[in-house]
Amino acid sequence: QKEVEQNSGPLSVPEGAIASLNCTYSDRGSQSFFWYRQYSGKSPELIMFIYSNGDKEDGRFTAQLNKASQYVSLLIRDSQPSDSATYLCAVRAGSARQLTFGSGTQLTVLP
Amino acid sequence: DAGVIQSPRHEVTEMGQEVTLRCKPISGHDYLFWYRQTMMRGLELLIYFNNNVPIDDSGMPEDRFSAKMPNASFSTLKIQPSEPRDSAVYFCASSPLGRGRADTQYFGPGTRLTVL
Repeated sequence: QKEVEQNSGPLSVPEGAIASLNCTYSDRGSQSFFWYRQYSGKSPELIMFIYSNGDKEDGRFTAQLNKASQYVSLLIRDSQPSDSATYLCAVRAGSARQLTFGSGTQLTVLP
Repeated sequence: DAGVIQSPRHEVTEMGQEVTLRCKPISGHDYLFWYRQTMMRGLELLIYFNNNVPIDDSGMPEDRFSAKMPNASFSTLKIQPSEPRDSAVYFCASSPLGRGRADTQYFGPGTRLTVL
């Protein structure tokens, strides 16, 4: 069983809609959670991080964390075609420095 | 400030040849990571260094893979001999020691390796 699970998609939403991306993890000792965006042919870039239970908002992006359910999600409001990319969930356990990445969810925002 | 620099950006080689990938991390970052990305296996951590010292190399697939970090500004990943199944995009990332946005890993542009 993979340590970090994501629906591979593809997920398609119309422009202006809310895109919801989900991620579950198996290690209860996980402390830090990250969402990376990767455009086709490019490298991953960080868009959000969250450490505590609840919601964290940054512009159009909201990360949600529920440690009891071992679940982290990313909401993208007012989705734009430029948001079309693969979104990678990454988890870090305890004081470790390495990240474990999910396989990514491919998002397409239709104009 | 320049980001993580990797070279070459593309490498095509024949099976059995030695391949060396290079990485220059962001100045002042304490950690350096090497990843491999394929469609089948996603993004996998191969090895990471802290202050030039290898900390965890459990992701290195075989003895054919080796990595070094002779100083804070340079690292290499070597594959000898290369095999077609090594074809992938290899990313180098660096990270400072910190919290929040400073806790993140910054990825280089990657090296696309094709082994024929």
